[in-house]
Amino acid sequence: EIVLTQSPGTLSLSPGERATLSCRASQSVSSSYLAWYQQKPGQAPRLLIYGASSRATGIPDRFSGSGSGTDFTLTISRLEPEDFAVYYCQQYGSSPKTFGGGTKVEIK
Amino acid sequence: QVQLVESGGGVVQPGRSLRLSCAASGFTFSSYGMHWVRQAPGKGLEWVAVIWYDGSNKYYADSVKGRFTISRDNSKNTLYLQMNSLRAEDTAVYYCARDARLLWELRYYFDYWGQGTLVTVSS
Repeated sequence: EIVLTQSPGTLSLSPGERATLSCRASQSVSSSYLAWYQQKPGQAPRLLIYGASSRATGIPDRFSGSGSGTDFTLTISRLEPEDFAVYYCQQYGSSPKTFGGGTKVEIK
Repeated sequence: QVQLVESGGGVVQPGRSLRLSCAASGFTFSSYGMHWVRQAPGKGLEWVAVIWYDGSNKYYADSVKGRFTISRDNSKNTLYLQMNSLRAEDTAVYYCARDARLLWELRYYFDYWGQGTLVTVSS
């Protein structure tokens, strides 16, 4: 099983700042089959990024994904008030499909 | 617009059964694989089960294999999860989610999610 470790656990930033979230896999993620989701309290997750770097439909271009192999990054270029949430990475290249433990982006 | 609406959650005693439903609308349900994903209170996400667009294939997480059964009725645009022999560790919000790819090209990432239904297993 591929274990995904997200860091930091919590990121305290101000609106307008840049956020950099890390997702590290215990084994190489095949074909860069890695997705990122955003979840706000009481809501379902929302797909942001798939294939490590492709933005899902309707996702603003301030969200970008990068990486390959075992190291992946989600970057939010300038935080908007609505971006404060928990972010999860997920690998779908190997079974079982697994999620990371999440990074909370909170208002500083 | 795509909508997924779960129902059927509630409080159930350990060892008992529960069936969840997910009503789909706004897309051609019979063209997409569908998943159940759960989230224990205050915890992360765990993939539970998948069913192919035509119901021909079904796969489960080891944690629920032999106890849970996923099914679908394409004539009713509805996905189901039959949960038997429930345990305390099955307590979670259960989401139905659409696979992001059409037909047999499932990729196991999820472009639309329902709002979830809470299952609490407790005596």
